[in-house]
Amino acid sequence: DAKTTQPPSMDCAEGRAANLPCNHSTISGNEYVYWYRQIHSQGPQYIIHGLKNNETNEMASLIITEDRKSSTLILPHATLRDTAVYYCIVRVAHGGSQGNLIFGKGTKLSVKP
Amino acid sequence: SAVISQKPSRDICQRGTSLTIQCQVDSQVTMMFWYRQQPGQSLTLIATANQGSEATYESGFVIDKFPISRPNLTFSTLTVSNMSPEDSSIYLCSAQRGGSYEQYFGPGTRLTVT
Repeated sequence: DAKTTQPPSMDCAEGRAANLPCNHSTISGNEYVYWYRQIHSQGPQYIIHGLKNNETNEMASLIITEDRKSSTLILPHATLRDTAVYYCIVRVAHGGSQGNLIFGKGTKLSVKP
Repeated sequence: SAVISQKPSRDICQRGTSLTIQCQVDSQVTMMFWYRQQPGQSLTLIATANQGSEATYESGFVIDKFPISRPNLTFSTLTVSNMSPEDSSIYLCSAQRGGSYEQYFGPGTRLTVT
């Protein structure tokens, strides 16, 4: 069973911020929150990950609540090319037999002109 | 980063036959994985391909149906045996370096069984 809960779909206007929520209330102390996305007909692509502090890279920002039971992925200025399925995944830092990357259903983000 | 290529990119096969999918990584990696993505669904992990030993299969997947080889640190194959229409899916190869947090994915092989 997936350890995360995400809304099945969201819409966002082009140029606006896209805020994708994720609930992971059973997250363990040694598990990180990872975000991947899958653009149509492509393999998944890593976006960002974090443990408890907020993280930012060139693609997105990750906000994790203090109790670590939920998080939000923020795409600051969504473009049409950000239309994809976004997966929130919890796993131990480097994976391995105890931390394989297990995908849930994800959120289908549609960026509209 | 790691660039992953898969062959074939797509195939149409007859029921009862087998298909071997190849996965090539452009650099040495510690871990390689195979996933299945059925139409309109999310990815499901089939197995971890272990270099020099038998693959580790997830619940619901068996070696007789999905034999996997991993002869070195850059290459792996997945065979889909005795295919049925229910095996029609996209099969994706994935790789990760030891100590790295990022897992890379290939473009997938789209398999249709008639």
